[in-house]
Amino acid sequence: QKEVEQNSGPLSVPEGAIASLNCTYSDRVSQSFFWYRQYSGKSPELIMSIYSNGDKEDGRFTAQLNKASQYVSLLIRDSQPSDSATYLCAVNDYGGSQGNLIFGKGTKLSVKP
Amino acid sequence: NAGVTQTPKFQVLKTGQSMTLQCAQDMNHNSMYWYRQDPGMGLRLIYYSASEGTTDKGEVPNGYNVSRLNKREFSLRLESAAPSQTSVYFCASSELMGTSTDTQYFGPGTRLTVL
Repeated sequence: QKEVEQNSGPLSVPEGAIASLNCTYSDRVSQSFFWYRQYSGKSPELIMSIYSNGDKEDGRFTAQLNKASQYVSLLIRDSQPSDSATYLCAVNDYGGSQGNLIFGKGTKLSVKP
Repeated sequence: NAGVTQTPKFQVLKTGQSMTLQCAQDMNHNSMYWYRQDPGMGLRLIYYSASEGTTDKGEVPNGYNVSRLNKREFSLRLESAAPSQTSVYFCASSELMGTSTDTQYFGPGTRLTVL
């Protein structure tokens, strides 16, 4: 059973701090990795995608990928209360069903003013 | 562009009733998906359609059927609803599943309660 593991949280950080969200995955064949943000009662919204080892930056967000360790993370710099949401890590299932995504259960982030 | 749209937004059914959830996308995507999201369980794939004319089972297909009506529309049918199908249902679409950069975009969801 392929798995994507995330710490469920809640992760609480003060406003202006760096929030670090982590994700590990079991399928070594995976090639594509995604972070989605989901506000309470809303649908998942894509924040970042990453395909190669290393860092990818987009504004206050940085995704980090280490395929050897089967680890992907999301850093949020200068965290704002509006960043409070659940963050879903998703990994493609190339070893299985045509590249469907496998989702982690999400980490709930709370940014305190 | 509206992206991915879903109807209805909310629905309450009695056990044994049937209903169809509708999904449409205007991004000219080839692939479409139906997920359910339950507390503590994360997003689970029910059915998917890699391209127009094809459908396949996902992780939790029992109790559901789907129809890919055309390239834009993908419907999910509950033939005889059960309380275990109380959930939030999300439709998603992507340009073409199986490609290395394929990215899924989600609709707003349907909150279904089965009494």
